[in-house]
Amino acid sequence: AQTVTQSQPEMSVQEAETVTLSCTYDTSESDYYLFWYKQPPSRQMILVIRQEAYKQQNATENRFSVNFQKAAKSFSLKISDSQLGDAAMYFCAYRSAIGTASKLTFGTGTRLQVTL
Amino acid sequence: DGGITQSPKYLFRKEGQNVTLSCEQNLNHDAMYWYRQDPGQGLRLIYYSQIVNDFQKGDIAEGYSVSREKKESFPLTVTSAQKNPTAFYLCASSMLRDRGGNEQFFGPGTRLTVL
Repeated sequence: AQTVTQSQPEMSVQEAETVTLSCTYDTSESDYYLFWYKQPPSRQMILVIRQEAYKQQNATENRFSVNFQKAAKSFSLKISDSQLGDAAMYFCAYRSAIGTASKLTFGTGTRLQVTL
Repeated sequence: DGGITQSPKYLFRKEGQNVTLSCEQNLNHDAMYWYRQDPGQGLRLIYYSQIVNDFQKGDIAEGYSVSREKKESFPLTVTSAQKNPTAFYLCASSMLRDRGGNEQFFGPGTRLTVL
């Protein structure tokens, strides 16, 4: 079974600064997908960014980018120019490429605080 | 607007009672999922369904039941056999992978409290 580990329960960043959230995972599969989801105080889960394991290029979505290290099974999220609205819980998730249903395995989350 | 709705937003239940959480989607997604979220933990999969009248157990199915009579609807029943039902419940949906979908879309959640 796959596992996802987020070792930082809480992180803090000043507005306009950059912060990196860590995620490691364990799998014996070679093809899979990785995701970062954001959960603001409203508790609505919002997809931030995704990465296909077969793609070497790191995914980028505006101020959000990932550092995907397949051999190290590491998938960190970098948030540049942090904004107050970035304050939320961030979850890393894994999805196997096997099978048709996209079941997700989640980490325990990192609470990001953004300060002025 | 397309999306996923869950009702009610807050639900209170007495011990020993069954309760059903509603989840409806109008995204024309084939697959639907139920997750449970507890403080300090990530989301854990309870049940999922890829097609009408078919569903599979997730990692923590004990004490829960589901049905999938319509593509749009995937209700979750929390039975009296669930020993610790107080939690936040999230419903999600997605296209099946062989149709190009791999992102799950989530509903707003239901907070269940057992009194």
